[in-house]
Amino acid sequence: GQQLNQSPQSMFIQEGEDVSMNCTSSSIFNTWLWYKQEPGEGPVLLIALYKAGELTSNGRLTAQFGITRKDSFLNISASIPSDVGIYFCAVTYGGATNKLIFGTGTLLAVQP
Amino acid sequence: KAGVTQTPRYLIKTRGQQVTLSCSPISGHRSVSWYQQTPGQGLQFLFEYFSETQRNKGNFPGRFSGRQFSNSRSEMNVSTLELGDSALYLCASSLVDLMNTEAFFGQGTRLTVV
Repeated sequence: GQQLNQSPQSMFIQEGEDVSMNCTSSSIFNTWLWYKQEPGEGPVLLIALYKAGELTSNGRLTAQFGITRKDSFLNISASIPSDVGIYFCAVTYGGATNKLIFGTGTLLAVQP
Repeated sequence: KAGVTQTPRYLIKTRGQQVTLSCSPISGHRSVSWYQQTPGQGLQFLFEYFSETQRNKGNFPGRFSGRQFSNSRSEMNVSTLELGDSALYLCASSLVDLMNTEAFFGQGTRLTVV
């Protein structure tokens, strides 16, 4: 089946550092989404990308939809302790569908 | 407005039993999808319902089934439970039009099979 390769698998950083993570696919997708999941909770949507090359920000978060439509990255600037969680990229199939394929996740730990 | 509500939050069942999980989507959302999350397999798509019809199905055995009601609320059922069915089951709702496919998740139901 389809797979999204997400890296890195985990990151342990100091408060204030910038973070970068990315997702790649062997297939083209029309929508890229980034979610954050905290322990005991469902994933929360952070950023949605709909156009190749699109760069979108949400506070300290910035994400880009790759030109080839096969990749996306998420940057977090000036990390804070509450950024801790697992970050997932996800893609949707073309058209109006709620079927998502998720990446394997990046565990982020931030030390104060 | 209220988010996606899943009930119950936690459930413990015995092998061989069956279980029903419930999901109430965000008001106005007509699409509901279900996902299974495990440490080994990550987040995997189970099925999607739209206007009471199953529109997409993932690669899970027939023991996993679902339905959607006219008010868009959805249930999923797992019969003949196996130990490997222990997981966090997540429901996501979406407006699902061609301009917006953002899915919003509930807190999940943690199912433990013993």
